[in-house]
Amino acid sequence: QSVLTQPPSASGTPGQRVTISCSGSSSNIGSNTVNWYQQLPGTAPKLLIYSNNQRPSGVPDRFSGSKSGTSASLAISGLQSEDEADYYCAAWDDSLNGHVVFGGGTKLTVL
Amino acid sequence: EVQLVQSGAEVKKPGESLRISCKGSGYSFTSYWISWVRQMPGKGLEWMGRIDPSDSYTNYSPSFQGHVTISADKSISTAYLQWSSLKASDTAMYYCARHTWVSYYMDVWGKGTTVTVSS
Repeated sequence: QSVLTQPPSASGTPGQRVTISCSGSSSNIGSNTVNWYQQLPGTAPKLLIYSNNQRPSGVPDRFSGSKSGTSASLAISGLQSEDEADYYCAAWDDSLNGHVVFGGGTKLTVL
Repeated sequence: EVQLVQSGAEVKKPGESLRISCKGSGYSFTSYWISWVRQMPGKGLEWMGRIDPSDSYTNYSPSFQGHVTISADKSISTAYLQWSSLKASDTAMYYCARHTWVSYYMDVWGKGTTVTVSS
């Protein structure tokens, strides 16, 4: 049972816009910024969005993030086949001396 | 180029000890934390804990506290994750990641070390 709640799956066709939600609580998303990671099959995770809505260099602007209260979301516009991957949200949790909490991950399928 | 290079795959028996490593290069090793993340077969990411290489301060996820030890040797820019007595349930991929203490994100990841524990 992950501390942050994500839908286990999402799907879309090429060119569509999809969103992935991430729900937490006051001790994590409510108090700290949200980061998103993309994990392509068989590879290490990669930072996709940091500080709620910032893209690292090299990440296409098709990817965007937002946060409101204790929830966050990742949006992918102009969906491409290479976007098929697992997506994880994460945030620092202030409880119990502080630690990172992840969502359970969302498997995105490009139909 | 900033990179984290992890040690190779390990196959161990239950009850054995193990230490895996993560060597940073291309940046100031003491300016960022190093975190360890577990991914069990077919499962999601789990944060295990982190170390500040500048002073070796650590903190752990409640789920992993007491089960593993994270350490670092800043003289050789290397962090470690170790077990004193492995269990079959420790079979997983383990990633190290460079972790900023501002906004708490992990921006550089190692390729992972596979640990298999089987009798």
